[in-house]
Amino acid sequence: NAGVTQTPKFQVLKTGQSMTLQCAQDMNHEYMSWYRQDPGMGLRLIHYSVGAGITDQGEVPNGYNVSRSTTEDFPLRLLSAAPSQTSVYFCASSYDRQGTQPQHFGDGTRLSIL
Amino acid sequence: GESVGLHLPTLSVQEGDNSIINCAYSNSASDYFIWYKQESGKGPQFIIDIRSNMDKRQGQRVTVLLNKTVKHLSLQIAATQPGDSAVYFCAESLLTGNQFYFGTGTSLTVIP
Repeated sequence: NAGVTQTPKFQVLKTGQSMTLQCAQDMNHEYMSWYRQDPGMGLRLIHYSVGAGITDQGEVPNGYNVSRSTTEDFPLRLLSAAPSQTSVYFCASSYDRQGTQPQHFGDGTRLSIL
Repeated sequence: GESVGLHLPTLSVQEGDNSIINCAYSNSASDYFIWYKQESGKGPQFIIDIRSNMDKRQGQRVTVLLNKTVKHLSLQIAATQPGDSAVYFCAESLLTGNQFYFGTGTSLTVIP
């Protein structure tokens, strides 16, 4: 049972480069979200989706884009990486659209921007 | 955004003792609360949840208490074991939203 799978696990980028963080879930969950985790700041919501074709901004959306073309996949794109985006990124999913069910998290992507 | 805070950033307990981790929230409209455990190098893992129409909920060795009057949430771990060493987060969601708000976390260390 794979759950939420994130790739890659580690990535180093140079300032200005672009990349896509992949997230896939096999639980047929409607709700998916991306968080970033920085030391001493907990998890902050970047973007979320309540279903295929629907996305919305969270607390810290600047510098990130998302799309939700299928129920299973929710990629996060950095168009022009900046050192401030160095962080650990977590993808999560849950069955309930209204976020009133526990979220299942992937094991994260550790991203460093030089 | 909502303020979900933890009173203590670190907590050390002896193996076998009970642990209590606290969390404060600021919005009385919050409807749903979750406790997560995060081990090093892993994503947060669901421990237990509670809805605002409840004051207490028990799981296996864990109990969550909700005091809506003072907007306070606590996680109690009975007979703490070395495997309980991790960072613990509380999270809340609002009745009208699709977002969870997380606290900054408490690092629990169990001393053998």
